[in-house]
Amino acid sequence: DAKTTQPPSMDCAEGRAANLPCNHSTISGNEYVYWYRQIHSQGPQYIIHGLKNNETNEMASLIITEDRKSSTLILPHATLRDTAVYYCIVSSRGSTLGRLYFGRGTQLTVWP
Amino acid sequence: DAGITQSPRYKITETGRQVTLMCHQTWSHSYMFWYRQDLGHGLRLIYYSAAADITDKGEVPDGYVVSRSKTENFPLTLESATRSQTSVYFCASSGQGRTDTQYFGPGTRLTVL
Repeated sequence: DAKTTQPPSMDCAEGRAANLPCNHSTISGNEYVYWYRQIHSQGPQYIIHGLKNNETNEMASLIITEDRKSSTLILPHATLRDTAVYYCIVSSRGSTLGRLYFGRGTQLTVWP
Repeated sequence: DAGITQSPRYKITETGRQVTLMCHQTWSHSYMFWYRQDLGHGLRLIYYSAAADITDKGEVPDGYVVSRSKTENFPLTLESATRSQTSVYFCASSGQGRTDTQYFGPGTRLTVL
């Protein structure tokens, strides 16, 4: 699986958009970009995923660059409850059987 | 309730004891996974299963045993617990399909004294 690079920490004011970057320069054509988050002491929570098109759901938006070497997760109106570690993962089906490799992630702190 | 559950949520045991952590999902997902999470290491895959009776090792399988006799259950056994196995254990599941969206349980915090 391709590796990802994320900043170790970021902060954001409540109500503002949080933009979390991720570099995945070695991503291959069949690999998806996934974002998960983990609120302290809880299990990781799926947020969103995409292949090459931008995606949006009720939680967030995912912007993937045209060359697919980087992406940005956008939380449009961050709240205190969005304080968590955010993981960017690239993965594909096949011989890996859907294994996800979690790196260190980005600690997002939303302040009032 | 639908979803993925783990039991027990907290467990304290002694070195050398056998411990089994349970994982149950109600989605009929084919794939199930066990991870451990330790400070400084993030989440590491222990074992995974593609279907009932099909299991395979992950990154850190030593000291652990799994079984999958039913699709919905994926127990993890520590045959002889060691202090280094003190950790938080997460179970996850995902369905068949091209994407790998995994849904995680709440975790089991295990302490080995």
